[in-house]
Amino acid sequence: AQKITQTQPGMFVQEKEAVTLDCTYDTSDQSYGLFWYKQPSSGEMIFLIYQGSYDEQNATEGRYSLNFQKARKSANLVISASQLGDSAMYFCAALHRDNYGQNFVFGPGTRLSVLP
Amino acid sequence: DADVTQTPRNRITKTGKRIMLECSQTKGHDRMYWYRQDPGLGLRLIYYSFDVKDINKGEISDGYSVSRQAQAKFSLSLESAIPNQTALYFCATSDPGRSGYTFGSGTRLTVV
Repeated sequence: AQKITQTQPGMFVQEKEAVTLDCTYDTSDQSYGLFWYKQPSSGEMIFLIYQGSYDEQNATEGRYSLNFQKARKSANLVISASQLGDSAMYFCAALHRDNYGQNFVFGPGTRLSVLP
Repeated sequence: DADVTQTPRNRITKTGKRIMLECSQTKGHDRMYWYRQDPGLGLRLIYYSFDVKDINKGEISDGYSVSRQAQAKFSLSLESAIPNQTALYFCATSDPGRSGYTFGSGTRLTVV
């Protein structure tokens, strides 16, 4: 079964510095998608960035970039110039195909705290 | 209005009670999902539906049931609530493309 590993339960970063949140995935699929979501204290899930398994370039969305290393099965999220509003839970997720069609599998999350 | 609306936002209920969580969407997506979130475990799939006539169990369906009343509506029921069903519940919709899921704001359920 698909599994997502996020080894950092919590991370701290100084405001305006960059931070990398780790994500590794385990899949035998040839075609899959990798996503990062942000969950602030209000609870909603906010889509940040997507990387397709066949995408040759690393995805970027504003201050977010995804460091995709396919051979290592890692999809780390890099946040540049951290802001206080970046303090939240961050979830890595993978979209893959199983016996029932498509399924989204989430990692356990990393809690990021941005320090002033 | 939000693309995916969940009601109620918060609910406290007693052990043994039946409770329904409702979800409606304006995205026009065929695919809808129910997840629960527990600290340290991320989101886990309860049930999903790829169209009105297609309902499938997810990873943790025991103790839950669903109803897909229309393309836009997908309800989750706890027939007899128990304390370990205390969690944050998310409804989501998706299309097969690159945008992933659109999540509702979540329902925080507490079973006492």
